[in-house]
Amino acid sequence: DTGVSQNPRHKITKRGQNVTFRCDPISEHNRLYWYRQTLGQGPEFLTYFQNEAQLEKSRLLSDRFSAERPKGSFSTLEIQRTEQGDSAMYLCASSLAASGGFTDTQYFGPGTRLTVL
Amino acid sequence: AQSVTQLGSHVSVSEGALVLLRCNYSSSVPPYLFWYVQYPNQGLQLLLKYTSAATLVKGINGFEAEFKKSETSFHLTKPSAHMSDAAEYFCAAILTGGGNKLTFGTGTQLKVEL
Repeated sequence: DTGVSQNPRHKITKRGQNVTFRCDPISEHNRLYWYRQTLGQGPEFLTYFQNEAQLEKSRLLSDRFSAERPKGSFSTLEIQRTEQGDSAMYLCASSLAASGGFTDTQYFGPGTRLTVL
Repeated sequence: AQSVTQLGSHVSVSEGALVLLRCNYSSSVPPYLFWYVQYPNQGLQLLLKYTSAATLVKGINGFEAEFKKSETSFHLTKPSAHMSDAAEYFCAAILTGGGNKLTFGTGTQLKVEL
């Protein structure tokens, strides 16, 4: 088990460009989460998938953001027309849903640091 | 509104001293609670979690936390700090009605001095 991996680790882009990040969860984990962390803050929830279904989206996730998990394995997060305010660390986590409740543990990847110039 | 609060954005201790990092939650129903550690330029690593099985929870690297319902707290402690403990620590909760998402506190930066 190699843990959650994210690529790229760093991305520098110019304002207005589109960027896409990839997350590979721990194998057989059926839940996948995206969080955003800005400097000096705790991570904030963006969205989550159970298998290929996107079950919840935060109001932080504007129309410029889209996430997919087409085959229930890896996930991509795309930001269109990036703005300087999008600069942050984007974290992915995965978990195996425990039966009957919310006690599954989320394991985090190393994150993708986005800088928008 | 339900929330997680960490008192003290920076804590400094001497090597060998007690570490105490504070976390309080605001929720009518006790949530599931977690402590994560983040080293520079890395993701979050789970230290321990409370899921109502026991109020005193032991985690990795000698850390433990005690759930106190009366105080709505879940403070993290370690009897003797080590230089390698210097990192940022986040308290997080799965709150009632919040689905499966984690709600994080703002973090506490722990500095360990010789």
